[in-house]
Amino acid sequence: EDKVVQSPLSLVVHEGDTVTLNCSYEVTNFRSLLWYKQEKKAPTFLFMLTSSGIEKKSGRLSSILDKKELFSILNITATQTGDSAIYLCAVEAFWAGNTPLVFGKGTRLSVIA
Amino acid sequence: DTAVSQTPKYLVTQMGNDKSIKCEQNLGHDTMYWYKQDSKKFLKIMFSYNNKELIINETVPNRFSPKSPDKAHLNLHINSLELGDSAVYFCASSQEPQAGANVLTFGAGSRLTVL
Repeated sequence: EDKVVQSPLSLVVHEGDTVTLNCSYEVTNFRSLLWYKQEKKAPTFLFMLTSSGIEKKSGRLSSILDKKELFSILNITATQTGDSAIYLCAVEAFWAGNTPLVFGKGTRLSVIA
Repeated sequence: DTAVSQTPKYLVTQMGNDKSIKCEQNLGHDTMYWYKQDSKKFLKIMFSYNNKELIINETVPNRFSPKSPDKAHLNLHINSLELGDSAVYFCASSQEPQAGANVLTFGAGSRLTVL
């Protein structure tokens, strides 16, 4: 069965800290790995990763994928209170023409002033 | 303009009732989904519709029935509601997966509470 495991499940840091969120996966016919940020409502898309070793960056957020070791990390530098959210990792598997996403349980990040 | 919109946002109902949640997307996407998020925030796919054809049904009870009148709409009907159905239900859409990235755009969610 395909699965996605995120760690830690929750994290509390102070503003200005740097955090690293982890996502490991076991999936047949891996296609891509995606990170989402969920605040109060719908998850919003952050990154999609398909190739190992290529860092994706957006402002203070960056992410990288290791397809050999089957994991990804999401880094947030100089955290702000607005970064407080649940960060979801999802893996896309390709099978029979359909590509469902399998989600991890998320990491709840709390940034305190 | 809201890309993926769901109604209602909140729904409180008694066990045994039948209810529907509607979803519409104006992105021109080919595939729409329903996800269930439980109290622990775990998102699990329920259904996926592509060109009005059901392509995924992840062991969801048959009390749940998706209805897609056209490509832009995917409604979720639930019969005989149970306490365990209480959750937030997210609608999402994406382009045809084979065309490339399966990046989902989510609706704001519909919080269902069954008493």
